[in-house]
This record gives sequence, structure tokens and C-alpha cells, in this order.
Amino acid sequence: EAGVTQSPTHLIKTRGQQATLRCSPISGHTSVYWYQQALGLGLQFLLWYDEGEERNRGNFPPRFSGRQFPNYSSELNVNALELEDSALYLCASSLGRRKGVETQYFGPGTRLLVL
Amino acid sequence: AQSVAQPEDQVNVAEGNPLTVKCTYSVSGNPYLFWYVQYPNRGLQFLLKYITGDNLVKGSYGFEAEFNKSQTSFHLKKPSALVSDSALYFCAVGIDNFNKFYFGSGTKLNVKP
Repeated sequence: EAGVTQSPTHLIKTRGQQATLRCSPISGHTSVYWYQQALGLGLQFLLWYDEGEERNRGNFPPRFSGRQFPNYSSELNVNALELEDSALYLCASSLGRRKGVETQYFGPGTRLLVL
Repeated sequence: AQSVAQPEDQVNVAEGNPLTVKCTYSVSGNPYLFWYVQYPNRGLQFLLKYITGDNLVKGSYGFEAEFNKSQTSFHLKKPSALVSDSALYFCAVGIDNFNKFYFGSGTKLNVKP
């Protein structure tokens, strides 16, 4: 069974540009979570999508947004990139909110570098 | 406020010795507790979880963790460390009906040969 996949693996942008990161969950999972892991720091929760809707959001500015598609894959968009947005962005999936608190399984991440 | 604490930034252990990576939590309601491991430049891998039942939970790669409700702790343990166990370990707590994970700051485990 395929795990969580993310693309691209690496992304280089300049300040002010927009970045789009993609995530495909494990088959059968309806929840997708996005986390930011800056160098030397822990995981910061960004967004949670379940069954196509945004269910929860972390303490990030509105220029961090996303969506979930009918097939439960997800995009994370970061507008007006800033240098401090450089980080590893991790996507995770789980069985979904109707199942209660379920294990989150993580993808390999997208490393975003803003120059 | 919900929180997870990993009091040690780094733990150093000799190969073959037992290891413990500490985690304490503060949540309202029943906690759902998880341990993950992260190897360099990789995503997180699930190790084990506690939902309910026996306080001692066994997971992948010979790891286990003990849930202690009175001390609000969920320490990760392994009887005999391997050099290949060297990695970054994260404790996380999930809140029922909220589905938001709170992650600890991570503990770097160094196992020396």
C-alpha cells in the first residue's frame, strides 16, 4: 500500500513569489494535515482538512492557505513568500474525524527554500 | 492550554544500554499519545500509540512506552539501544473530537558505538 506522497521534494523560490505544495494521502484516508518544520525547530501545525473542508488552522498568517480536492489530495499555497518561510513542509493523513483521533502518517516532506 | 513537553533536547546512550526519552503532557480530557521518529531530511515515522488499555505499549523497532496517568508522562524506552536508533524523536498528543496533534519540541537521540 502506498504511503503519503508529496511533491515536489524540493522547491526554490524568491521573496514575494508564490509556492504550491501537493500531498496525496493514503488510500482510504479523508484527513490531511500540514505542518511546518523550520530548521532546528519542532513541528508547527498549519492546517487540517477533512472531507473537503478546512477543519482547523494553526497560528499562521492568511497567506498560508490550501484546499482539499474530492479525491482527498491537498494543496498548500504560500503567497508573498518571505525568507522565514524556508522550511520542511510535512503532510500527514489519517482516517478522518469521524473515526476520532487516529494515527497520522507522514509523507517525506517538501523542502522549500526562499531566496 | 494543551501542551506536550520533551524536557531533554538531547539524550546520549552507549550501544547496548537501555534508553529513555521523556515526554510529559498537559491536556483536558483523555489523551491520545503518540511517538514518532524522524531520520535526517525525512518525514516522521509512526512508532507507537496509547489510546486506552494497558499502560505499557509496544511499538516498532523494539520500542515501548509507558503511560503514567498520575505523572502525566509517556516516556519512550528500549532495553538495548542500537547505533541505528540515532534520530530525532517526537512525542505528540491528540485531543478527542478535536483531531489536532500537539507535538513536543523533539529529542535528539545519539547512540554511540
